[in-house]
Amino acid sequence: QKEVEQDPGPLSVPEGAIVSLNCTYSNSAFQYFMWYRQYSRKGPELLMYTYSSGNKEDGRFTAQVDKSSKYISLFIRDSQPSDSATYLCAMTRYGGATNKLIFGTGTLLAVQP
Amino acid sequence: NAGVMQNPRHLVRRRGQEARLRCSPMKGHSHVYWYRQLPEEGLKFMVYLQKENIIDESGMPKERFSAEFPKEGPSILRIQQVVRGDSAAYFCASSPGAGDNYNEQFFGPGTRLTVL
Repeated sequence: QKEVEQDPGPLSVPEGAIVSLNCTYSNSAFQYFMWYRQYSRKGPELLMYTYSSGNKEDGRFTAQVDKSSKYISLFIRDSQPSDSATYLCAMTRYGGATNKLIFGTGTLLAVQP
Repeated sequence: NAGVMQNPRHLVRRRGQEARLRCSPMKGHSHVYWYRQLPEEGLKFMVYLQKENIIDESGMPKERFSAEFPKEGPSILRIQQVVRGDSAAYFCASSPGAGDNYNEQFFGPGTRLTVL
């Protein structure tokens, strides 16, 4: 079983739709949760960075963490064609000797104009 | 405020040659990470360094791969005697290492290594 599971998609939505992206994980030691956006042949771009459970909002993006269910989500409101990319969830433990990120495999999103 | 810089962006090597990938972290960041992204796979951690120290190399292959982050200059990921299976995108990330967002990692554009 992978430590982080993410549906690879592809996910296709019309412009203006609300997009929901999700990851599940198995390691209860994870405390920091991140969402990255990666355009084709580019480096990952950090979208959201959250610690422990709860919600965080930034513009059209909302990140949710439910540690009791080991489930994290990213919502994109009023989706735009420019949001078409691969979305990667990542997480890491608190403290310890390493800050290495464990990534999901990514969900490919296509927003149709 | 320059982001993480990597060079070269593209690197072609023949089997048996050496590949050197360079990474300059964001200004003010003292922690560097290397990740590898194979075709159709996710990003996999390779190594975590601070200045002059390797903190975690649990993701590095045991042979042919090495990394350093000297007191002066960029971090270097070195692959000796490359094989076709080393063809991948190699990403460097950096983080502040201190403060509330001490492990917030920002990625560079990557180096795409092709082994012929």
